[in-house]
Amino acid sequence: GENVEQHPSTLSVQEGDSAVIKCTYSDSASNYFPWYKQELGKGPQLIIDIRSNVGEKKDQRIAVTLNKTAKHFSLHITETQPEDSAVYFCAARGTGRRALTFGSGTRLQVQP
Amino acid sequence: EAQVTQNPRYLITVTGKKLTVTCSQNMNHEYMSWYRQDPGLGLRQIYYSMNVEVTDKGDVPEGYKVSRKEKRNFPLILESPSPNQTSLYFCASSLSIRGNSPLHFGNGTRLTVT
Repeated sequence: GENVEQHPSTLSVQEGDSAVIKCTYSDSASNYFPWYKQELGKGPQLIIDIRSNVGEKKDQRIAVTLNKTAKHFSLHITETQPEDSAVYFCAARGTGRRALTFGSGTRLQVQP
Repeated sequence: EAQVTQNPRYLITVTGKKLTVTCSQNMNHEYMSWYRQDPGLGLRQIYYSMNVEVTDKGDVPEGYKVSRKEKRNFPLILESPSPNQTSLYFCASSLSIRGNSPLHFGNGTRLTVT
């Protein structure tokens, strides 16, 4: 089955700096890669996703890149703000599966 | 407001005492699922349901049961809870498993089994 690895597990940045979280996946036929943000005491919330026929997608300060050859995808947050502090999860949907496989999460802390 | 509602938010119980965590969605979603979240392990799927009366095992189904008698409700049942089921549980739903519809999560149930 699909296996998703996520790094780093924790990330601390200064306000205004950029943050990058990386994930690798094992199933080369996976075709959907969402990113979720989980704030304290809440459930994960979808912030951006990318499909395998696209290499990059951007939404204001967040962007996701996908490298199908290397089987990795990354979340980029620019001009970080304290409200970006949260746990971020990547996920992938492999072929034949009816569920997302999640990474282990990255705790991002933005220092004011 | 479109949402997934779980109850209770916090639950402390003892080994062997049956419990049910309820989940309800008001978005007419076909697909519903339960996950558990443990430190360093991310979110792991317990059970899922493609539609009413259709349920299937996820990656970690042992010790859990579910039912889907109505479209909006998907309760998680622990017949005989054990301490290794202490975890943070999330219910999620999406319009359909096809087309990569986004998952909507509830706010979680923190379960402690002593």
